[in-house]
Amino acid sequence: SAVISQKPSRDICQRGTSLTIQCQVDSQVTMMFWYRQQPGQSLTLIATANQGSEATYESGFVIDKFPISRPNLTFSTLTVSNMSPEDSSIYLCSAFGTEDTDTQYFGPGTRLTVL
Amino acid sequence: GESVGLHLPTLSVQEGDNSIINCAYSNSASDYFIWYKQESGKGPQFIIDIRSNMDKRQGQRVTVLLNKTVKHLSLQIAATQPGDSAVYFCADPIRETSGSRLTFGEGTQLTVNP
Repeated sequence: SAVISQKPSRDICQRGTSLTIQCQVDSQVTMMFWYRQQPGQSLTLIATANQGSEATYESGFVIDKFPISRPNLTFSTLTVSNMSPEDSSIYLCSAFGTEDTDTQYFGPGTRLTVL
Repeated sequence: GESVGLHLPTLSVQEGDNSIINCAYSNSASDYFIWYKQESGKGPQFIIDIRSNMDKRQGQRVTVLLNKTVKHLSLQIAATQPGDSAVYFCADPIRETSGSRLTFGEGTQLTVNP
């Protein structure tokens, strides 16, 4: 398995500002993932972050809005830029287990409220 | 396109009863499925998985059944407890050259009444 932590756990932000969410994995992993979970809904993949290359974004998500960093094999950040109330969601990062490359393990999430 | 969906959005059971949560998938090439449990305010937690060469897999108080003929899987929770109250998702890894990414179903909210 993989133990994943995120910071902050929650935040309340003003529209037009940006928030950077940090994700730390307890082991070295090639791929990390960022998901958005809007209230009462399932998880939607935002992007896949590989160390040493640019993140790969899913349809509907762009780098200018959600820039991602992946400086090493245990850490990634997601920035939610120029926020609006529609960005209020839970943001989750995940990674594969070190022994099972099919199973993803998730961090506790960052609950973002934009006023 | 590919999808993983659930039959019921909510399920309410009495403590001690057995719970069954269903999931349908559309990709006949899918060969691996994962059930996640998400408690309020937390991230999804891995519960159990099953590969397509199996029809059934058992864990502690949980059993997953896979019916490839009708592309359906279910999660059975025995002797449901209040701590089982959560949203349950089935997920289907889509394999690409760069690795796997998950497609999640809509989720079923399980409520256990004392």
